[in-house]
Amino acid sequence: EVQLVESGGGLVQPGGSLRLSCAASGFTFSSYWMSWVRQAPGKGLEWVANIKQDGSEKYYVASVKGRFTISRDNAKNSLFLQMNSLRGEDTAVYYCARPLGDGSYFDYWGQGTLVTVSS
Amino acid sequence: DIQMTQSPSTLSASVGDRVTITCRASQSINIWLAWYQQKPGKAPKLLIYKASSLESGVPSRFSGSGSGTEFTLTISSLQPDDFATYYCQQYNSYRTFGQGTKVEIK
Repeated sequence: EVQLVESGGGLVQPGGSLRLSCAASGFTFSSYWMSWVRQAPGKGLEWVANIKQDGSEKYYVASVKGRFTISRDNAKNSLFLQMNSLRGEDTAVYYCARPLGDGSYFDYWGQGTLVTVSS
Repeated sequence: DIQMTQSPSTLSASVGDRVTITCRASQSINIWLAWYQQKPGKAPKLLIYKASSLESGVPSRFSGSGSGTEFTLTISSLQPDDFATYYCQQYNSYRTFGQGTKVEIK
């Protein structure tokens, strides 16, 4: 059974940093692109970042470029999102999701981790 | 960027009703569209991909159609478990989601 379990969310001040993790199991993690998708409270879904199987290609939504970094550790079946220079508008539930390919839909999602940026 | 617009934003319906949600793209996305169902406090669940392909395990009362810029999600006979928010997502160019359609009890 495919499982994606996020951790690392919490309350952080504006300008601060946070690192999210996603532990994957039930599939060959190193064979798949992986993504982060977020959802602000009461709002819709927004794709944040993608990373290729070997980490050689990474893509970001414009609003987080230069502030967020996606990475992975295939030996530990783990996905990460380093978030720096956080802003109030980054407050959201962050989901780890598995896309079928680079430009694709998401067939599995984690349960999400809440990031709150507030003073 | 490709913008996705869903209508209506909220839909009130009764059990047994036929329900249709529309999703429009700001430019052609061929058939590269997915639909998700999300319940409060839960992750989205994939229902439909490639505009009309039903994800494994999803009830056959759900169906999708369309191509180019206009797409629909239809629930043929609304069940109690179907009251939720539905999102479309294009994957022709990067990925963008519609703003969601909440299906509530009439």
